[in-house]
Amino acid sequence: SQQGEEDPQALSIQEGENATMNCSYKTSINNLQWYRQNSGRGLVHLILIRSNEREKHSGRLRVTLDTSKKSSSLLITASRAADTASYFCATVPAGSYQLTFGKGTKLSVIP
Amino acid sequence: NAGVTQTPKFQVLKTGQSMTLQCAQDMNHNSMYWYRQDPGMGLRLIYYSASEGTTDKGEVPNGYNVSRLNKREFSLRLESAAPSQTSVYFCASSNPWAGVNNSPLHFGNGTRLTVT
Repeated sequence: SQQGEEDPQALSIQEGENATMNCSYKTSINNLQWYRQNSGRGLVHLILIRSNEREKHSGRLRVTLDTSKKSSSLLITASRAADTASYFCATVPAGSYQLTFGKGTKLSVIP
Repeated sequence: NAGVTQTPKFQVLKTGQSMTLQCAQDMNHNSMYWYRQDPGMGLRLIYYSASEGTTDKGEVPNGYNVSRLNKREFSLRLESAAPSQTSVYFCASSNPWAGVNNSPLHFGNGTRLTVT
């Protein structure tokens, strides 16, 4: 069953703009992770945020986590054409060992 | 350092045929996983191996078997392929240094399987 759901399903922006993707989940979690998938490739881990953290940065990426709302957001600043990809959130529900993925947000950055 | 290597990259099977998808990692990771990815469904866990010598069912194990051959290799077998198993299969590994729940996964580039 799907634990995380990304929103929007698809997003198209101009190069240089910021891109924001959201993830909502259903149950308590140990951590939440974001992954990127380029077309025809495997997923690449971007960032992991633990349930006791509220915000985390990595380069042009900023992730927030609101456990009271069971939601997370991924912000990509100053987007580049190379950021074109699908982005997935993944969670480990409390008491589980299984990382479960959402259906992803497809981001298109137009040069 | 190749990371996670999957073979083959593409495969076409007829209904009822069998095959084994191979996966190997060179990062000395303890845990390995098999996921399938279908359009509009995201990734779903088929089986995982938390450590060498152990395997456990994931969300969608029916129709599949796995073997953790050694620490490096984790194979996925389809005994009698069905059209519903047409999918992209991803192998992943992790080293749960922070606990099995807190480690990122490293993915291979997938095997694209079509069952006709």
